[in-house]
Amino acid sequence: SQQGEEDPQALSIQEGENATMNCSYKTSINNLQWYRQNSGRGLVHLILIRSNEREKHSGRLRVTLDTSKKSSSLLITASRAADTASYFCGGTSYGKLTFGQGTILTVHP
Amino acid sequence: DVKVTQSSRYLVKRTGEKVFLECVQDMDHENMFWYRQDPGLGLRLIYFSYDVKMKEKGDIPEGYSVSREKKERFSLILESASTNQTSMYLCASSVPGQGANQPQHFGDGTRLSIL
Repeated sequence: SQQGEEDPQALSIQEGENATMNCSYKTSINNLQWYRQNSGRGLVHLILIRSNEREKHSGRLRVTLDTSKKSSSLLITASRAADTASYFCGGTSYGKLTFGQGTILTVHP
Repeated sequence: DVKVTQSSRYLVKRTGEKVFLECVQDMDHENMFWYRQDPGLGLRLIYFSYDVKMKEKGDIPEGYSVSREKKERFSLILESASTNQTSMYLCASSVPGQGANQPQHFGDGTRLSIL
């Protein structure tokens, strides 16, 4: 079963633009985490937002969480070519982190 | 920085072989996890462990087993490899704290092909 489902599946933008990725989940969660994966590498943790938080910032990243809609969004501002990667959300519940299928972000120089 | 090391980046094995995938972390983390990643399916949890000699089934444990004899090492075992186990396998670890509620640190993965 997949806890998080990302939308869109793929996103292509120009350098300097903002990128927004959305995530929906099915069951109650303790927290929601966002990860990044460069091609052929493992996942790197970006940001964690707890179920009682609504918004969190980290550098150029902004994450929101709406537990009533069971959804989250990741905003990357002023994108760079180096942001090109796959981005995954994962919801934590019952001691497990369950990921969605991911969004492939391509940032063109 | 936490380092999670998977013993092989690429591995080719034959159907029916017993396959061992090794994972070692250097940060004294209690929690360790094994996932497989397939196109269109994302990451799926196979097994996880909260302590030495402890193991819990994830979402897709069938055909796999694990071993955690030492805190830093978590092994994934394919008892009798089959072609549908061809995949990218990712190991992760995290500090203790209500299971998977903490950020996880991932290795670079093992791309396993079963012929």
